Amino acid sequence: GIQVEQSPPDLILQEGANSTLRCNFSDSVNNLQWFHQNPWGQLINLFYIPSGTKQNGRLSATTVATERYSLLYISSSQTTDSGVYFCAVEQDSGYSTLTFGKGTMLLVSP
Amino acid sequence: GAVVSQHPSRVICKSGTSVKIECRSLDFQATTMFWYRQFPKKSLMLMATSNEGSKATYEQGVEKDKFLINHASLTLSTLTVTSAHPEDSSFYICSARAAGGAGSYEQYFGPGTRLTVT
Repeated sequence: GIQVEQSPPDLILQEGANSTLRCNFSDSVNNLQWFHQNPWGQLINLFYIPSGTKQNGRLSATTVATERYSLLYISSSQTTDSGVYFCAVEQDSGYSTLTFGKGTMLLVSP
Repeated sequence: GAVVSQHPSRVICKSGTSVKIECRSLDFQATTMFWYRQFPKKSLMLMATSNEGSKATYEQGVEKDKFLINHASLTLSTLTVTSAHPEDSSFYICSARAAGGAGSYEQYFGPGTRLTVT
């Protein structure tokens, strides 16, 4: 099956700093989603971005499908951004399920 | 829009009993729902894909007789953990994909159910 690698596995930031999270995947995809899992376990949909660039407030994401990677940018980080960020992809093969990366654990300190 | 609910949010049961978890899409119809399991500090693992009106498709290694899935309507799927044992304790999360989503494959996730088997 498709492989999904996220980096870095852990990240510690001072409040106000910017960061870039990366997601590499091993095959062509028809779905790529970024999630933030809050401390209560809820997965918050950040972006549905199988290709292209999107922005939502302080967050933006870019997926370069031909090179099989996606980037999540967090600007002016806040303590509420802390949590685990997951990238998940769905292979473009008719087998319609999401494969999750192992996540990036982000801690933003005041 | 695109809200998915789960009930209960937390359940404690005794070993040998069965527990049912409900997953509902509140403001859209979902032909396909998915059930995931997450262990502490780990990623989500897909357990099964549930299609409305048909049998669920289970991932390799998931016991279909232990984890019963029913997708009775376009807004409701249930997961029943039968004869639960302490090793079934976990965080169970469902997701739903909108029906007829015009080329969109986006999934929306419920808040999860924390199961503890004593």
